[in-house]
Amino acid sequence: DADVTQTPRNRITKTGKRIMLECSQTKGHDRMYWYRQDPGLGLRLIYYSFDVKDINKGEISDGYSVSRQAQAKFSLSLESAIPNQTALYFCATSDSGQGGSNQPQHFGDGTRLSIL
Amino acid sequence: DQQVKQNSPSLSVQEGRISILNCDYTNSMFDYFLWYKKYPAEGPTFLISISSIKDKNEDGRFTVFLNKSAKHLSLHIVPSQPGDSAVYFCAANSGYALNFGKGTSLLVTP
Repeated sequence: DADVTQTPRNRITKTGKRIMLECSQTKGHDRMYWYRQDPGLGLRLIYYSFDVKDINKGEISDGYSVSRQAQAKFSLSLESAIPNQTALYFCATSDSGQGGSNQPQHFGDGTRLSIL
Repeated sequence: DQQVKQNSPSLSVQEGRISILNCDYTNSMFDYFLWYKKYPAEGPTFLISISSIKDKNEDGRFTVFLNKSAKHLSLHIVPSQPGDSAVYFCAANSGYALNFGKGTSLLVTP
């Protein structure tokens, strides 16, 4: 079983619909992240959470919201999807540990989202 | 502004030879750098990292070099194998999350 699980893996929907992408992890990490990847570009940060009561905006948070339901669960919502939100979405986790921020992030396999 | 740059979109290397992937950054506050490998339909997989207090870190066939004065790092893969064919992302830690380059697609040919 994957340590970081994203559901769904693929989704096609229409403009204006509300979409929720879910992420769960079994790594026991306290930090969770959402990124998006567009063709030819690197991953860009949408939101991040360092613990259950902590939510922070990333570089491209407009049009998105998140919920940290538990240490192991972090969901991303598009309240009213638009075509330019078509992208590959990745969830990641990391451990605060002894290195603090200097710990690698571990990624799920992504959700391919297409908005028509 | 792209703070982490990978200027070579692709690289082709023969099996057994050395692969060198390059990465430049602009923010001198970055203190931790990572390389990720990504296969199609999978998430990025952590490969190797280096702290800014070091100039080299080695793990098997993979070595990362850091030149802080030039704000440049490189990943060396020796010897290259066909299974190394993937997209490689350079990333730098900004203190709360990772800044990624656009990636370099490596093809290792037999």
